[in-house]
Amino acid sequence: GQNIDQPTEMTATEGAIVQINCTYQTSGFNGLFWYQQHAGEAPTFLSYNVLDGLEEKGRFSSFLSRSKGYSYLLLKELQMKDSASYLCAVADSNYQLIWGAGTKLIIKP
Amino acid sequence: TAGITQAPTSQILAAGRSMTLRCTQDMRHNAMYWYRQDLGLGLRLIHYSNTAGTTGKGEVPDGYSVSRANSDDVPLTLASAVPSQTSVYFCASSEGPGNHEQYFGPGTRLTVT
Repeated sequence: GQNIDQPTEMTATEGAIVQINCTYQTSGFNGLFWYQQHAGEAPTFLSYNVLDGLEEKGRFSSFLSRSKGYSYLLLKELQMKDSASYLCAVADSNYQLIWGAGTKLIIKP
Repeated sequence: TAGITQAPTSQILAAGRSMTLRCTQDMRHNAMYWYRQDLGLGLRLIHYSNTAGTTGKGEVPDGYSVSRANSDDVPLTLASAVPSQTSVYFCASSEGPGNHEQYFGPGTRLTVT
């Protein structure tokens, strides 16, 4: 079966750095996405990785290792507005997205 | 630019009744999707449409039907609602299928009693 695993909840301090991990087992791989979802709102796109390595976009970076079936999202200089759920999703061999259950990130002052 | 709109925002529906959730996009995207999101389970794909006139089944299609008569609209119909269909429903679109960024509508919160 296909499976995406990520921690259910994480807590971090304002101004700090947090790393949210995602491991996957899917039938085929056509890229990995990270989305942000604030409570009661729709998911919004953060990043896309299809090749191994680190993609940096401002305070957010995303890493991929295809051989390990592993990705992480790194958030730097945390702000209170970063409190949200972070969703990991993988495009499988049919180009359908398989979604993880999401990691709820709580930022404390 | 509106992006993707969904209607209604929320609805309470009696079991056994039918209902159509509406979704419209103005980004000229080819692919459109319907998901349901339940606590602890993440997003699950119900149906998708890669181009106007075509549809396909996702992970949890039972009890739902979808049509794509034109490029902008993809209504989702519940023929006879059951309480297990209580969920938040998101419509999304992307330029192409799968490995393209998906844009999401604001969601419809449906409660089946």
